[in-house]
Amino acid sequence: SQQGEEDPQALSIQEGENATMNCSYKTSINNLQWYRQNSGRGLVHLILIRSNEREKHSGRLRVTLDTSKKSSSLLITASRAADTASYFCATDARDTGRRALTFGSGTRLQVQP
Amino acid sequence: EPEVTQTPSHQVTQMGQEVILRCVPISNHLYFYWYRQILGQKVEFLVSFYNNEISEKSEIFDDQFSVERPDGSNFTLKIRSTKLEDSAMYFCASRLQGYTFGSGTRLTVV
Repeated sequence: SQQGEEDPQALSIQEGENATMNCSYKTSINNLQWYRQNSGRGLVHLILIRSNEREKHSGRLRVTLDTSKKSSSLLITASRAADTASYFCATDARDTGRRALTFGSGTRLQVQP
Repeated sequence: EPEVTQTPSHQVTQMGQEVILRCVPISNHLYFYWYRQILGQKVEFLVSFYNNEISEKSEIFDDQFSVERPDGSNFTLKIRSTKLEDSAMYFCASRLQGYTFGSGTRLTVV
């Protein structure tokens, strides 16, 4: 798999349910970020978790990071139809000289009203 | 909240033509980036720009691409002699600490 791979690729849930998306990566990182993209639109930054953090909350979002497993999860609680979008993780790699983000393939979330 | 502004939102061009995609980054940001996303695929890094020069570029960023910051505010991506496979969303981003992305330019090469 490539740096920043999400699973599942697609997720369909009912409004009110929780949605969990996972991301795996390969290299050491400074931080990991989650972005949201509505169909054909721009990238909206949701949350950033640093390599020395294990969990972070922002409203209905909860992000965990396990650097030993090189994985992260994004949990959206009490989902709404408006949460329907694609969600991408992106890593800011350490010690590679690259300060650009490496994005995963994304999870397409569909929240049914 | 400060925004990164990209123009145009959609551009259609004939194969072989040159296009310039424009971005106005956040004024006090120091790092500037172009990314692209081919429809249905992941967002890919093209180039980063710092202190008025390219700091890093990906293998995608070949000789048909160039970037400029001509006047201290605009940040442009030029694609010479566009190909069909250049059709994609192109995102500009700027960074001081965290990244801010623009809403993208959809380039369609016909």
